[in-house]
Amino acid sequence: QSVLTQPPSASGTPGQRVTISCSGSSSNIGSNPVNWYRQVPGTAPKLLMYNNNQRPSGVPDQFSGSKSGTSASLAISGLQSDDEADYYCAAWDDILSGPVFGGGTKLTVL
Amino acid sequence: EVQLVESGGGLVQPGGSLRLSCATSGFTFRNYWMHWVRQAPGKGLVWVSRINGDESSTNHADSVKGRFTISRDNAKNTVYLQMDSLRAEDTAMYYCARARQYCTTISCYYDAFDIWGRGTMVTVSS
Repeated sequence: QSVLTQPPSASGTPGQRVTISCSGSSSNIGSNPVNWYRQVPGTAPKLLMYNNNQRPSGVPDQFSGSKSGTSASLAISGLQSDDEADYYCAAWDDILSGPVFGGGTKLTVL
Repeated sequence: EVQLVESGGGLVQPGGSLRLSCATSGFTFRNYWMHWVRQAPGKGLVWVSRINGDESSTNHADSVKGRFTISRDNAKNTVYLQMDSLRAEDTAMYYCARARQYCTTISCYYDAFDIWGRGTMVTVSS
């Protein structure tokens, strides 16, 4: 059982915009920034977004992040087949004194 | 090139020990917090441990507290995870990750993992 809650799956067609939600509580998302990771099965995760909406260099602007209260979301526009991957949200938790992750959302491009 | 390379994983019996290593290169190692994150087969990511640049501060997840110990050798640019009293539920791919610092108007954070190793598999089974 993950501390942060994500839908297990999401899907869209090429060119479409999809959003992935991430729900937490006052001790994590409500108090601290959210980071997002992308993981192609069998490979290591990759940082996609940090501090809610900041993209590391090399991450295209088709990815955007937002946060409101105890929830956050990742939006992917102009969906492409190679966007298929697992997406994880994460945030520092003040009670657990460590980062906590969502359970991951498997994105499928139809 | 910035690189993290984990080693030390393998098959171990319940109650046994393993020491994971993460050799780094391409950046000023002592300036970064380093973390271990694990992923059980078919499951999600779970944070395990972290250590700051001068080894003065460490944290461990409750699930491994008292059994795992993180450490580092800044002369060797390497971070370690000593795992004792291993359990079946510790079976996972263990990733080493570098933490990027970023600051808000309120505080600075060291929990955005911008560089990851490829991982080393730990299997706890009799």
